[in-house]
Amino acid sequence: DAGITQSPRHKVTETGTPVTLRCHQTENHRYMYWYRQDPGHGLRLIHYSYGVKDTDKGEVSDGYSVSRSKTEDFLLTLESATSSQTSVYFCAASGLAGEKLFFGSGTQLSVL
Amino acid sequence: AQSVTQLDSHVSVSEGTPVLLRCNYSSSYSPSLFWYVQHPNKGLQLLLKYTSAATLVKGINGFEAEFKKSETSFHLTKPSAHMSDAAEYFCVVSRKDSNYQLIWGAGTKLIIKP
Repeated sequence: DAGITQSPRHKVTETGTPVTLRCHQTENHRYMYWYRQDPGHGLRLIHYSYGVKDTDKGEVSDGYSVSRSKTEDFLLTLESATSSQTSVYFCAASGLAGEKLFFGSGTQLSVL
Repeated sequence: AQSVTQLDSHVSVSEGTPVLLRCNYSSSYSPSLFWYVQHPNKGLQLLLKYTSAATLVKGINGFEAEFKKSETSFHLTKPSAHMSDAAEYFCVVSRKDSNYQLIWGAGTKLIIKP
């Protein structure tokens, strides 16, 4: 969606290595989210942020950490990647909690 | 607690025929409900949103959904399917008891036959 950029778009890594995914927004949205999408599960929330340096866990946060040092950037880190973290990761942003989400194009992560 | 169930994992219709994608929700509060669409290899886009102003909600691309409290349903419909409607559709409920986090259904893949 316009204004939300994820990088990288694709990544292949090995088990046990650290991985950082970046989300950048240009619309000054207050809320930012990281989701993972797996077949049969819809989207599951990993972590979200409700302001600079304000973050909270979602339903599948184990093995993930996030940071938000600026309004426009929200980073997702896998400290030690595992094969179960192979997934498509989506970043989203919204101006108000529970309101319309604007999504990035996703990152396909493969952990071998 | 809030939850959402999409009753069909796949729906197949012929082009030009009506579309019905079913969604049931549970919520302890008056819910906000959404439908999102994801076209192949693309991000997600909001189709429509219910927030209690009107029970029949019109969205983009000719889709609409009706909120039925007595049936706890929020089914998505379109009178006439188009090939470009082939996509995955997600029903979503907003968790007012947890900072408005969104709970996503598992998705329904809509297949359009020529």
